[in-house]
Amino acid sequence: RKEVEQDPGPFNVPEGATVAFNCTYSNSASQSFFWYRQDCRKEPKLLMSVYSSGNEDGRFTAQLNRASQYISLLIRDSKLSDSATYLCVVSHKAAGNKLTFGGGTRVLVKP
Amino acid sequence: GAVVSQHPSRVICKSGTSVKIECRSLDFQATTMFWYRQFPKQSLMLMATSNEGSKATYEQGVEKDKFLINHASLTLSTLTVTSAHPEDSSFYICSARDSGNYDYTFGSGTRLTVV
Repeated sequence: RKEVEQDPGPFNVPEGATVAFNCTYSNSASQSFFWYRQDCRKEPKLLMSVYSSGNEDGRFTAQLNRASQYISLLIRDSKLSDSATYLCVVSHKAAGNKLTFGGGTRVLVKP
Repeated sequence: GAVVSQHPSRVICKSGTSVKIECRSLDFQATTMFWYRQFPKQSLMLMATSNEGSKATYEQGVEKDKFLINHASLTLSTLTVTSAHPEDSSFYICSARDSGNYDYTFGSGTRLTVV
């Protein structure tokens, strides 16, 4: 079983709509959680960290559910520029805080 | 913000040759450098972790004699793919961790094609 699992998609989203997707992680010792965005043939870029209480950054909202070991990302009022692959990333101190990436969820926002 | 410069961005080499990829942190000290590989439509897979001045730690299944990592200074780490084969063709990305605040900064990646 992969340590971090994501629905690969693609999620086809009309412009202006809301899209949400989850990621599950298998290591209960995971301590830090992130969403990264990766455009085609580019390096991943940090979108937001995910905190236990949930957090929001503009149109993006991230939630963490430790009991069920999943995190979620919700994008409101989708823009064409939101089209990308969203990578769920976890880390834990025992592993030297190295980042473990999920396979990514592809989102395509269409006019 | 923090920047990691990765070169080359793209390289095509012949089978059997070696290729060196450089990652340089421009405005911070990177005590730890992570090297990843990403095949098409797959996620980033960690290959190795290197700390300045010490030997790299390789993930299971990654050949340390094939993928040579050097991290001789706090601002420079290199990955050399030795005796490259077509199956080594991939996107290689480095990520530097700032010793000051544990943020991770990614290089822009190197697309390696072995023909």
